[in-house]
Amino acid sequence: DTGVSQDPRHKITKRGQNVTFRCDPISEHNRLYWYRQTLGQGPEFLTYFQNEAQLEKSRLLSDRFSAERPKGSFSTLEIQRTEQGDSAMYLCASSFGSYWETQYFGPGTRLLVL
Amino acid sequence: AQSVTQLDSQVPVFEEAPVELRCNYSSSVSVYLFWYVQYPNQGLQLLLKYLSGSTLVKGINGFEAEFNKSQTSFHLRKPSVHISDTAEYFCAVTLGGSGAGSYQLTFGKGTKLSVIP
Repeated sequence: DTGVSQDPRHKITKRGQNVTFRCDPISEHNRLYWYRQTLGQGPEFLTYFQNEAQLEKSRLLSDRFSAERPKGSFSTLEIQRTEQGDSAMYLCASSFGSYWETQYFGPGTRLLVL
Repeated sequence: AQSVTQLDSQVPVFEEAPVELRCNYSSSVSVYLFWYVQYPNQGLQLLLKYLSGSTLVKGINGFEAEFNKSQTSFHLRKPSVHISDTAEYFCAVTLGGSGAGSYQLTFGKGTKLSVIP
């Protein structure tokens, strides 16, 4: 396994701009998750896919956030009209099978909104 | 809804000394428990997990944790730490099953372990 990869690793943007992050899960993992981690906090769940279907969304995921997983492979997370409060580390994880299976995390994308 | 409390935000410990990182959870239903470690500039890595069965769970790198249902705790221990154990440790829970929230992990705020030479 090559592991979960995320791109870019770092992103600096100005308030009001749109940004898009990509996550490539471990191949054949059918479940993909997005979490957000702010300074001094643990990761917080944002959304989750089973194959291409988005099955759960957190209340943290405002309508400025949209996530897709076309064809059940890679996933993108887009933030429209970024705000300074969106500055955080965005983590992607993937797993295969049931809920007790390990979620494997990528290195994250660190977003700074100026 | 479930929640996780890690009471200690920072734990300094001398090399080769034992360490315990505390984790308490709150849930009205049965949960499944995990400890993850985050090394600087790296992704989260699973240390160990408790699903059922023996309450003492052994993980990687010599870590172990004990599930205590009556105290709703899942403390992480290591008898002798090394410099390389310096990292941030996160306790997490999931509800399991097939209902809403069964796959998402709920994390604590983390404990930074600093091993002093």
